[in-house]
Amino acid sequence: GESVGLHLPTLSVQEGDNSIINCAYSNSASDYFIWYKQESGKGPQFIIDIRSNMDKRQGQRVTVLLNKTVKHLSLQIAATQPGDSAVYFCAETSGGYNKLIFGAGTRLAVHP
Amino acid sequence: NAGVTQTPKFRVLKTGQSMTLLCAQDMNHEYMYWYRQDPGMGLRLIHYSVGEGTTAKGEVPDGYNVSRLKKQNFLLGLESAAPSQTSVYFCASSYSIQLVNTEAFFGQGTRLTVV
Repeated sequence: GESVGLHLPTLSVQEGDNSIINCAYSNSASDYFIWYKQESGKGPQFIIDIRSNMDKRQGQRVTVLLNKTVKHLSLQIAATQPGDSAVYFCAETSGGYNKLIFGAGTRLAVHP
Repeated sequence: NAGVTQTPKFRVLKTGQSMTLLCAQDMNHEYMYWYRQDPGMGLRLIHYSVGEGTTAKGEVPDGYNVSRLKKQNFLLGLESAAPSQTSVYFCASSYSIQLVNTEAFFGQGTRLTVV
């Protein structure tokens, strides 16, 4: 069936290092992808999105890469800070918000 | 700016009890959603609404009912709570159901435990 998964449940990095969070998806019809950040006790917060007609999109300290050939999505965070510690979700859809499929999440732990 | 507000934040229910979770948004959004989040799983859509007076089933609607009597409010009801409904519930709203150029805003969540 259609699913979105993550390779690593927990990622630990040193403050200042770059972080890479990976996500695999199985629905080749998915044409829109979103990365969310969820801090403890809070709801998901939009980070960055990408359409399937793009390979890369950059935001402030974040970059999303999309490889449609292998159905792989990654979130790169530059110069990781303690405030980046959270659970990160990828989500994919071939329709609207009512068809958004979320991955299980990866916990990012930033150590000083 | 309140955004999306959920009440209550925590609740413990006994099996068979009923309750209603309230979601309120002050962004004049047409679209509202209820999700549940369980350990090791992504958020799953329970029900959603495309406007006042309308609701639709999501991925996991069984055991839940919803109502959208006012545009700013979306209520999630559990008529007879079961331990399987122990979860964290999130409400969200968006201006459009299409994702492009539209961001969905989430509430802080309601942690529900059914014993």
